[in-house]
Amino acid sequence: EIVMTQSPATLSLSPGERATLSCRASQNIGSNVAWYQQKPGQPTRLLIYDASSRATAIPARFSGSGSGTEFTLTISSLQSEDFAVYYCQQYNTWPPLTFGGGTKVEIK
Amino acid sequence: EGQLVESGGAVVQPGGSLRLSCAASGFTFDDYTMYWVRQAPGKGLEWVSLIDWDGGSSYYADSVKGRFTISRDNSKNSLYLQMNSLRKDDTALYYCAKGQSSAGGMDVWGQGTTVTVSS
Repeated sequence: EIVMTQSPATLSLSPGERATLSCRASQNIGSNVAWYQQKPGQPTRLLIYDASSRATAIPARFSGSGSGTEFTLTISSLQSEDFAVYYCQQYNTWPPLTFGGGTKVEIK
Repeated sequence: EGQLVESGGAVVQPGGSLRLSCAASGFTFDDYTMYWVRQAPGKGLEWVSLIDWDGGSSYYADSVKGRFTISRDNSKNSLYLQMNSLRKDDTALYYCAKGQSSAGGMDVWGQGTTVTVSS
């Protein structure tokens, strides 16, 4: 099973700041990574797939990078609606599909 | 882009059974792989099961293998999860999700339905 490890667990930032979220895979997974945003009371939203492709209607301030075992989600300038929990997920080697433990981006 | 609405969650005793449903709309249901993902209270996301477009192939997490069965009825645009021999650690919010056509992400999610296993 591929283990996805996200860091940090919590990121405290102010609106307008840059957020950098990390996700590490226990094995080489190529570019087969997705990133999701989860907010209370709203459906989970796909942000990034194939490590760096933005999903439909995702703002350009969200970007993904990385390959192999190290991946990054960057939010270039945090908006109020971006404070949420973010998960990475690998789909290179399955079953099982596996998610990281999540990073909470909170207002400082 | 589509909508998914889960139903069927309830409070059930350990060892009991439950059937979850997910109604899909706004996309061609039988074109896509579908997923069940769950989230225990205060925890992260855990993949449960997936089924391919025609129901010919399905896969399960080890934690539910042999107890849960995923199925779909493309004529009704519906996805199901039959849950047997429920345990307390199956308590979670259960989401259905739609797979992407050309990548492995899940691009439409429902709001979830709550399953509580308690005596």
